Amino acid sequence: AQSVTQLGSHVSVSEGALVLLRCNYSSSVPPYLFWYVQYPNQGLQLLLKYTSAATLVKGINGFEAEFKKSETSFHLTKPSAHMSDAAEYFCAVSDPPSNTGKLIFGQGTTLQVKP
Amino acid sequence: DTAVSQTPKYLVTQMGNDKSIKCEQNLGHDTMYWYKQDSKKFLKIMFSYNNKELIINETVPNRFSPKSPDKAHLNLHINSLELGDSAVYFCASSHLGQGETQYFGPGTRLLVL
Repeated sequence: AQSVTQLGSHVSVSEGALVLLRCNYSSSVPPYLFWYVQYPNQGLQLLLKYTSAATLVKGINGFEAEFKKSETSFHLTKPSAHMSDAAEYFCAVSDPPSNTGKLIFGQGTTLQVKP
Repeated sequence: DTAVSQTPKYLVTQMGNDKSIKCEQNLGHDTMYWYKQDSKKFLKIMFSYNNKELIINETVPNRFSPKSPDKAHLNLHINSLELGDSAVYFCASSHLGQGETQYFGPGTRLLVL
C-alpha cells in the first residue's frame, strides 16, 4: 500500500534562508506525488506535482521538488524563504491501483519563518 | 468566483444532533471528495463521487452519509454527532485520474460540544 512520511513536523528557518521539507514515499508502482500548502484557516492549494515527466518539478511561489526514485524521495525546496511562506505543507501520493484519484497524505510539516 | 465552496464555514453543535455540510464546485470537474482533518492536522479521505456514483468509501462510521445530487454538488450528512467528530471537513474536486490536481474548498470547522 502507498504511504508517505514527512520527516520533521516543524521546520524553522530564517527569512532568506533555504527551505527544505522532506518527503519519502512508499509505492509498489511509479507514483504520482504532490505537494500542497495550507495557510492558516484556509483550504489546501497545490504547490507542484510529479506525474512521471521531468524529475525536477517547478511549482508556484518559487518552490521546486526533485523526484528521486532510488531514494524514494520527493523533497520540497525553496532557495530563499519569505515570511509569507509560513504555513503547513503536505506531501501526498496518489493511489494508482484504484484509479480513483485517492490521495494519501503525509503528516504535514509546519514551516516557521523567522525575521 | 469561488471554485470550491462549502457551507457553513463554522458549525458548533451538541452531541447527538444531526448536521449537514454542503459543497459546490464550478470547475466542471466530474469527481468530488470529502476529507477529514483532525486536531493534529492529519488529512484522510472519507468519500469520493464520480458522476454521482460513490467510488471511494473509506472506513467511516455509518453515521456519515454523503450525497451527490449532481456532478457539481456533494453534501455530507452526519447523524448522532459525537465529540470525536470535531474536526475540519474539506471538500475537493478534480477530473478523475491519478495525476489530476484536486482543488480544495475552504473547509468547515465542526465543533461538537
